[in-house]
Amino acid sequence: GAVVSQHPSRVICKSGTSVKIECRSLDFQATTMFWYRQFPKQSLMLMATSNEGSKATYEQGVEKDKFLINHASLTLSTLTVTSAHPEDSSFYICSASFEGEGHPLGLYEQYFGPGTRLTVT
Amino acid sequence: RKEVEQDPGPFNVPEGATVAFNCTYSNSASQSFFWYRQDCRKEPKLLMSVYSSGNEDGRFTAQLNRASQYISLLIRDSKLSDSATYLCVVSREGSTLGRLYFGRGTQLTVWP
Repeated sequence: GAVVSQHPSRVICKSGTSVKIECRSLDFQATTMFWYRQFPKQSLMLMATSNEGSKATYEQGVEKDKFLINHASLTLSTLTVTSAHPEDSSFYICSASFEGEGHPLGLYEQYFGPGTRLTVT
Repeated sequence: RKEVEQDPGPFNVPEGATVAFNCTYSNSASQSFFWYRQDCRKEPKLLMSVYSSGNEDGRFTAQLNRASQYISLLIRDSKLSDSATYLCVVSREGSTLGRLYFGRGTQLTVWP
């Protein structure tokens, strides 16, 4: 089945530094990639949607200058948390959509990466 | 009002028990509905889609009531391995392709 990877799986950084998280679709070309953030005991909150070659669409309340998203190819999207602060500590998860066959609801499916746990000290 | 509301639990049940989770959604334009499972510190994984007629997958039964904007998941004969957080998810599209709206999840612990 489709696999999405994220790197790194865990990162600890100092306040004020920037952190880059990579999301790759390993065996399919992703038309769209999504970035989510999840705080403990909270639901996944969509941060932004990105399509290859175009600017990401950010959700309300998400600072696009702080969370830089680059979707350079159909298999890679990156999220850079700039000038990270302790309140940015969270579980960041990406997902990728592709056109598949045989899905009961249509031609598309969305798969999630394993997540990146960011701790800012 | 949140797009998707769930009782966070936790639900603690013995092996073999039957447990039911409920969920409501606020947007009547929602078109497709899912239950995802999320293990601790892991990504969510699609458990099953939810159809208007109700559907069953082994020990899991999902129901949808569009009039009440209500979704349910029933787990029969609970196993230890069912311990996880169950996420109610809705989409305004006819698939999981686009934006998904997640509930905060209902935590289940099955004990021996």
